Amino acid sequence: GIQVEQSPPDLILQEGANSTLRCNFSDSVNNLQWFHQNPWGQLINLFYIPSGTKQNGRLSATTVATERYSLLYISSSQTTDSGVYFCAVRRTGRRALTFGSGTRLQVQP
Amino acid sequence: DVKVTQSSRYLVKRTGEKVFLECVQDMDHENMFWYRQDPGLGLRLIYFSYDVKMKEKGDIPEGYSVSREKKERFSLILESASTNQTSMYLCASSSLPGDGNTIYFGEGSWLTVV
Repeated sequence: GIQVEQSPPDLILQEGANSTLRCNFSDSVNNLQWFHQNPWGQLINLFYIPSGTKQNGRLSATTVATERYSLLYISSSQTTDSGVYFCAVRRTGRRALTFGSGTRLQVQP
Repeated sequence: DVKVTQSSRYLVKRTGEKVFLECVQDMDHENMFWYRQDPGLGLRLIYFSYDVKMKEKGDIPEGYSVSREKKERFSLILESASTNQTSMYLCASSSLPGDGNTIYFGEGSWLTVV
C-alpha cells in the first residue's frame, strides 16, 4: 500500500515561533488532508489540499503532487496549537484515507 | 453541527470478553470507518463500510469484525478481546469520494484489555 511519512516526529516551540511540518507520500493521490488532534483526542480537519496552496489564518498548506509531498506551515504559534498533526492521503479508486504517523507539536508559553 | 458519536469513551474489559464499540453519524454519509490509533503508528484502518451491510477489510482486520445494519450506525466487534487490542479506537464518516470530500471523526474510545 501507499506509504506516508511525516517529519519531524516531535517538535517543541516557544510561543510566537513559526514551524513547517512535512508529509511525503509514495504514490499518486487524489485526496490529501491535514488534521489536528487536540490533547483530548478529537481530530479536526484543517485542509483538504490534493494540490496547490491554501491559507486559513495562521495556518497554510502547500502540496506539490508531482513531487509527492505536502507542507503545513504554522506561523506565530500559540499554546492552543499543541497536539498531533496528521497528514492523510487517498489513492485514486480507493475509499479510505491512509494516515502518517503524525508530528507531535508542543508550544510552550 | 455535524456529529459522529461513539457510545463509550473509556472501557476496561477482560481478556476473552466480547466487546462492542458503537458509532452513530447524523450526516447521512455513505462511508463509515473504524481506525485504531497507537503511539508512533498513527491511525491504522481496521474496516470500513460504503453502504448498509457492505464492508471491506482495512489494513489490520485480524481479531475484529464489523456490522452495519443501518446507514447511520457502524459497530466494531472484538470477538475475544486480547491485551494487544488495548488502544484508542476512532470512528469516522464521509460522503462519497469527490472533490473536497471531508471526513469527520468521533471523539474516540479508549479501550484497555486486562
